[in-house]
Amino acid sequence: GENVEQHPSTLSVQEGDSAVIKCTYSDSASNYFPWYKQELGKRPQLIIDIRSNVGEKKDQRIAVTLNKTAKHFSLHITETQPEDSAVYFCAATTGSARQLTFGSGTQLTVLP
Amino acid sequence: DVKVTQSSRYLVKRTGEKVFLECVQDMDHENMFWYRQDPGLGLRLIYFSYDVKMKEKGDIPEGYSVSREKKERFSLILESASTNQTSMYLCASVGRRGTETKSSYEQYFGPGTRLTVT
Repeated sequence: GENVEQHPSTLSVQEGDSAVIKCTYSDSASNYFPWYKQELGKRPQLIIDIRSNVGEKKDQRIAVTLNKTAKHFSLHITETQPEDSAVYFCAATTGSARQLTFGSGTQLTVLP
Repeated sequence: DVKVTQSSRYLVKRTGEKVFLECVQDMDHENMFWYRQDPGLGLRLIYFSYDVKMKEKGDIPEGYSVSREKKERFSLILESASTNQTSMYLCASVGRRGTETKSSYEQYFGPGTRLTVT
């Protein structure tokens, strides 16, 4: 089955700096890669996703890049703010199964 | 607005008890999932269901079973609770976003049930 590895497990940045979280996947058939944000005590929520026919997608301060050859994808957050502090999960799926394999999560802390 | 609810936020059970966790979604979604979330391990899939009375094992099904008698309701059952099943349990419902050519499967999560087995 699919295996998703996520790094780093913790990340601290100064407010206004950029943050990058990286994930690798094992199944070359995976074609959908979402990112979820989970604030303390709350449920995970989708923040951005990318399909395998696209190399990059951007939504305001967040962007995701995908390298199918290397089987890795990354989340980029620019101009970080304290409210970006949360646990971020990457995930991958082949789509036909509609089930996600999640990474182990990254605790992002934005220092004021 | 999308809504996924779980029967309890906090639950304390004794070893050997049978435990029922319920999840209800009001979006008419076919697909529902049960995960457990543990620090450093992310979200791990226990069981999922594509339709009523249909179920499939996820990555860690041992010690669990599920029931989907109605489309909106997906129950997770711990037949005989053990201390290593102490965890946060999250239910999710999958819908389709966007147009047919750009559809994706956004998972909507419930608030979670913090289960402690003593």
